[in-house]
Amino acid sequence: DTEVTQTPKHLVMGMTNKKSLKCEQHMGHRAMYWYKQKAKKPPELMFVYSYEKLSINESVPSRFSPECPNSSLLNLHLHALQPEDSALYLCATAGGIPDTQYFGPGTRLTVL
Amino acid sequence: GQQVMQIPQYQHVQEGEDFTTYCNSSTTLSNIQWYKQRPGGHPVFLIQLVKSGEVKKQKRLTFQFGEAKKNSSLHITATQTTDVGTYFCAGRSGGSYIPTFGRGTSLIVHP
Repeated sequence: DTEVTQTPKHLVMGMTNKKSLKCEQHMGHRAMYWYKQKAKKPPELMFVYSYEKLSINESVPSRFSPECPNSSLLNLHLHALQPEDSALYLCATAGGIPDTQYFGPGTRLTVL
Repeated sequence: GQQVMQIPQYQHVQEGEDFTTYCNSSTTLSNIQWYKQRPGGHPVFLIQLVKSGEVKKQKRLTFQFGEAKKNSSLHITATQTTDVGTYFCAGRSGGSYIPTFGRGTSLIVHP
């Protein structure tokens, strides 16, 4: 069971498409993260939101655009992606035990 | 920047054998967390260690944090097929509030 949900579970998109990934949490956590994970690799940090403000952008290309509409929601807008962007995109929150991150189930993205 | 090295990358064991994965940091850590990711799944938090020399147990899993707070280990006694997955450590140093993940150890248990 997870208190962090992500939609969609799977997404296939072309390089000219615009799509969005959504993450929702009801844990009351004030830090929210986007990670990218390639097969057989650890999660790679993309963005961190703290109290709904973007606090860290790990030099992510502008074709990825994060948004935090409120304390429960986190979006990742995708535009003009490349096939190498195919990966598992994980949302995580932190707030209870310091530094402990609770991951959502992820969106498995394929870019054709 | 902070680096967290984790070995081995893969470990094959027969069911019932023990398993250990090790993490080493280039800097002193404030804390270290361990996560498990099942095949096709997402990382799930297992435990956090904070104190120098700390040892914590969860059933067949034993977690240790080194005296210098630069290394940690996860030991599983008598592995079961349900232990299959990739185990990640993630450590945070005082200069950052974002943990750095190790590369993970994939455990394969043969029945």
